[in-house]
This record gives sequence, C-alpha cells and structure tokens, in this order.
Amino acid sequence: KNQVEQSPQSLIILEGKNCTLQCNYTVSPFSNLRWYKQDTGRGPVSLTIMTFSENTKSNGRYTATLDADTKQSSLHITASQLSDSASYICVVSAGGSGTYKYIFGTGTRLKVLA
Amino acid sequence: DGGITQSPKYLFRKEGQNVTLSCEQNLNHDAMYWYRQDPGQGLRLIYYSQIVNDFQKGDIAEGYSVSREKKESFPLTVTSAQKNPTAFYLCASSRSANTNEKLFFGSGTQLSVL
Repeated sequence: KNQVEQSPQSLIILEGKNCTLQCNYTVSPFSNLRWYKQDTGRGPVSLTIMTFSENTKSNGRYTATLDADTKQSSLHITASQLSDSASYICVVSAGGSGTYKYIFGTGTRLKVLA
Repeated sequence: DGGITQSPKYLFRKEGQNVTLSCEQNLNHDAMYWYRQDPGQGLRLIYYSQIVNDFQKGDIAEGYSVSREKKESFPLTVTSAQKNPTAFYLCASSRSANTNEKLFFGSGTQLSVL
C-alpha cells in the first residue's frame, strides 16, 4: 500500500532556530517528492520538488533532502521566522504510464514563537 | 493562490440538501482536482479531470458529483448521500495529469453541517 508518513506531528520552536521535518514513504513506482507549505485556512503552496536522482534542493531558507534508497526525505528550515508557522506536507507522486497518483502525508504542524 | 479561485470560503449545509462548491482557474491548465482535508489526515482525492468533458472518480467519490463543461471550471456538488460532509475542500489544477507537474491549489472551502 502506498503510504507517506511524516514526523513529528507537531513542533514548537523559537524564532531564529533551525528545525528538520521528516518524511518516510512507501510508494511504487516513485516519480517525485514535493514539500508543500499550508497556512491555516489556505491551500498548500509548493516549496520544492525532488526526483529520484536528486539528493538536495534548496529554496531560500528551506532545504529538502532525498534518500531514495531508504525512502526518506527531510525538510530543513534555517533561521526560522514567525511566518514559517504552518503545516508542512510531504507529497509523493507515483509514476506509471498513463496513470497519476499523488499520495499526501498528514503533515507536520510547525509553530514558531517570538 | 496561483490563479485558482474557490467560492464560497464558508458553506453550511442543511440535512438532505445538495450544495455546490465553485472552482475556477485562469492558468490554462488541462487537469483539475478536488481533494477533501480532514484533521489529522492527508488530503484525499474525490474526483479529477484530465481534460474538458472528462472526469474520473478518486478514492472517495461516493456522495459527490462533478462536471467539467469548461476548461476553467470544475464545480463539486456535495449531495445528500454524503453523510459526513464536514471538511475543508481544496480544488487544485496542473498543466496536465502528469505526476511531474506541480499542483496549484485554491484557498479552500470549509463546509459544515447545520
């Protein structure tokens, strides 16, 4: 069964600190992995996309890593800001000719305190 | 929210009533999707459409119906057959129904039962 699991469920950090969110997946065949940021009451917004051959990708203070062998990804946030408070969702795309499938994790809710 | 407009932001449904959620995009995307988001769960696919006049059931289509008469529009009707409709509904679009394409989300509709 295709699954995406994220940890921790929730996280509280102080402004300026770094944090790392985890994503483990069992999706086959793997196509790509995206991290989305979802503010409360809003739709998710894409942060990064990683394909099988990519290990690291950065988007400003956000850095995603992918280990395709262990089927794990992480999202590292550097020098957190109050505006980083949101849910972060890991989404894995299953490939295959003529088909499509996005498998969503349950998200990590991050709260950044002043 | 990436050129996708959902309305209304909040919607209340009475017992036995059908309600329709609107989704319009101006991104010229071929593919459109409806997801349901419940607390503590990942997004679940209700319906998707790869092209005008075509749509396919997702994982939880029972109690829902859609139409795709225009490229820009993909309305979702929550029928009285959906016994647990309270949730946050997200519409999304992508250039094509290809797993390499990024999903663009609307800002969501919160549906509650009176």
